[in-house]
Amino acid sequence: DTAVSQTPKYLVTQMGNDKSIKCEQNLGHDTMYWYKQDSKKFLKIMFSYNNKELIINETVPNRFSPKSPDKAHLNLHINSLELGDSAVYFCASELANTGELFFGEGSRLTVL
Amino acid sequence: AQSVTQLDSQVPVFEEAPVELRCNYSSSVSVYLFWYVQYPNQGLQLLLKYLSGSTLVKGINGFEAEFNKSQTSFHLRKPSVHISDTAEYFCAVSGGYNKLIFGAGTRLAVHP
Repeated sequence: DTAVSQTPKYLVTQMGNDKSIKCEQNLGHDTMYWYKQDSKKFLKIMFSYNNKELIINETVPNRFSPKSPDKAHLNLHINSLELGDSAVYFCASELANTGELFFGEGSRLTVL
Repeated sequence: AQSVTQLDSQVPVFEEAPVELRCNYSSSVSVYLFWYVQYPNQGLQLLLKYLSGSTLVKGINGFEAEFNKSQTSFHLRKPSVHISDTAEYFCAVSGGYNKLIFGAGTRLAVHP
């Protein structure tokens, strides 16, 4: 029973398309995140939600729009995809403001 | 603002040898410190964390780390590594609400 699950695991798409990645956690945590990991493995925080409310938006282009329908879900929609969006996107949830994150397995996005 | 510097991008080591992965941080407030491990094609998982108390922290898989406030360091050590320890290791700092900042990662390559 996966704690943090993301779908899809792989996306391959053309420039200009729109795509979504879904994330669900069954840990009962209030806070969820999206991180972007580039080809050099660098992890950059994108967004943080606490109980459906946006807490952090790290100067991400507004082509990226997170949505949290409830505290167990945090989805990421990306409009007008660009080559530079190619990366692995990780969803995570946090244990009660401790900094201990539980990560999903990642969604590898390739933009051609 | 917080930042994390991992001093080595790659650390090659032979099996059963000791290893130290170095991490320095900067912060104007008290911090929580973490080491996460990422095995190939997987999400990150927590190795160990320092929140307060004893400066020597023990984690999973035989790893430990020492918090040194005067040197603003949190180096990760293991006395004897295995092939299965080959992975990317990330040091992270949390000093503010809902924001975990990761270092650039250190690739540990264990050779037979």
